[in-house]
Amino acid sequence: DAGVTQSPTHLIKTRGQQVTLRCSPKSGHDTVSWYQQALGQGPQFIFQYYEEEERQRGNFPDRFSGHQFPNYSSELNVNALLLGDSALYLCASSPSGTENTGELFFGEGSRLTVL
Amino acid sequence: AQSVTQLGSHVSVSEGALVLLRCNYSSSVPPYLFWYVQYPNQGLQLLLKYTSAATLVKGINGFEAEFKKSETSFHLTKPSAHMSDAAEYFCAVRDPYGQNFVFGPGTRLSVLP
Repeated sequence: DAGVTQSPTHLIKTRGQQVTLRCSPKSGHDTVSWYQQALGQGPQFIFQYYEEEERQRGNFPDRFSGHQFPNYSSELNVNALLLGDSALYLCASSPSGTENTGELFFGEGSRLTVL
Repeated sequence: AQSVTQLGSHVSVSEGALVLLRCNYSSSVPPYLFWYVQYPNQGLQLLLKYTSAATLVKGINGFEAEFKKSETSFHLTKPSAHMSDAAEYFCAVRDPYGQNFVFGPGTRLSVLP
């Protein structure tokens, strides 16, 4: 049973560029959340997708956008990259119906470096 | 708004010693609480969770945590540290009506031989 998979694992971009990160949720999970983890900090919630729609959003600018596909996989897009966007981007999945008590299952992340 | 504080960004213990990692939360409603572990260059793995059942929660790898409402705490303990426990540990809170988790800043645990 494959867990949450993310790609790419590492990437380097320059300021002003755009990046797309991809995530496949754990089998049986239909809800995908994205988190940003800056170096030495805890993960910060970006947004969550369910039924191909953004269900909740954290305190991130509109440069951060996402998408969920019918097979529940998801993409995170970041436009006009800033140096401060350098971080580990974590995708987490969970099955719907467990919102109250269920945990999140995390992928290993995509490490983005912006030069 | 919910928040999580973790006292001590770095904790060092000797192998075989007690591990105590502190977590305090702020929540306007009874929270659900989680501890995650992150090994270098990896994602987060669930250690244990509290979801309003027993206040003493046992997790994987010999870890446990106790929910104390009066102290708004959810400290993580392990009786005897092992070298393989060296990692970053994150406490997180999730309110019963929300979708997202709020993570603390993390505590890096070092285990000395």
